[in-house]
Amino acid sequence: QLQLQESGPGLVKPSETLSLTCTVSGGSISSSSYYWVWIRQPPGKGLEWIGSIYYGGRTFYNPSLKSRLTISGDTSKNQFSLKLTSVTAADTAVYYCARERYNWNDFDYWGQGTLVTVSS
Amino acid sequence: QSALTQPASVSGSPGQSITISCTGTSSDVGSYNLVSWYQQHPGKAPKLMISEVSKRPSGVSNRFSGSKSGNTASLTISGLQPEDEADYYCSSYAGSSTSLFGGGTKLTVL
Repeated sequence: QLQLQESGPGLVKPSETLSLTCTVSGGSISSSSYYWVWIRQPPGKGLEWIGSIYYGGRTFYNPSLKSRLTISGDTSKNQFSLKLTSVTAADTAVYYCARERYNWNDFDYWGQGTLVTVSS
Repeated sequence: QSALTQPASVSGSPGQSITISCTGTSSDVGSYNLVSWYQQHPGKAPKLMISEVSKRPSGVSNRFSGSKSGNTASLTISGLQPEDEADYYCSSYAGSSTSLFGGGTKLTVL
């Protein structure tokens, strides 16, 4: 059974960098059948697709976040990571990592989510 | 890229049917049969309910069905049950390996 687990600081100061890691077990991030995705949800609001990483390290970003965003993968640890720079209170959200099926573009497995609060 | 448009809330009584719409554009919903729907209970991660407009993943009740016409996709839940009360989100492929979500719809079972 595939499992995804987010980890990282729950509190980040404004203007600093938000860094999260997703550890995948029960499946390989090296598979060409899936994208590995970050999605966020501000408190009381809807879901926002942040970006993804695909086989071979190709990355795809939400245009609204692209200038501040880096997604990377570590196949040796079966992890992928998110870095979002120059954060503000608007970046406060529950951050989810998920698996997206390549041919169907649906998100079939999700992590439990981790709340990141941007505050001084 | 703008979020897909969903009604903020819908409601129905147990046993009734409800439909949630998801409106996009000719660049996303209208161009691809790659619309999916997610159910989210409070404090939980979303759960995939419908894939590729109308396909149910294994284990999802056949009370859930999906369809699409033009730039609008729809999720129908028949025979409403109390446990269906949740937030529902649509998602669509938007080209160039990107995706869009709808703003979400809160379903209340009266």
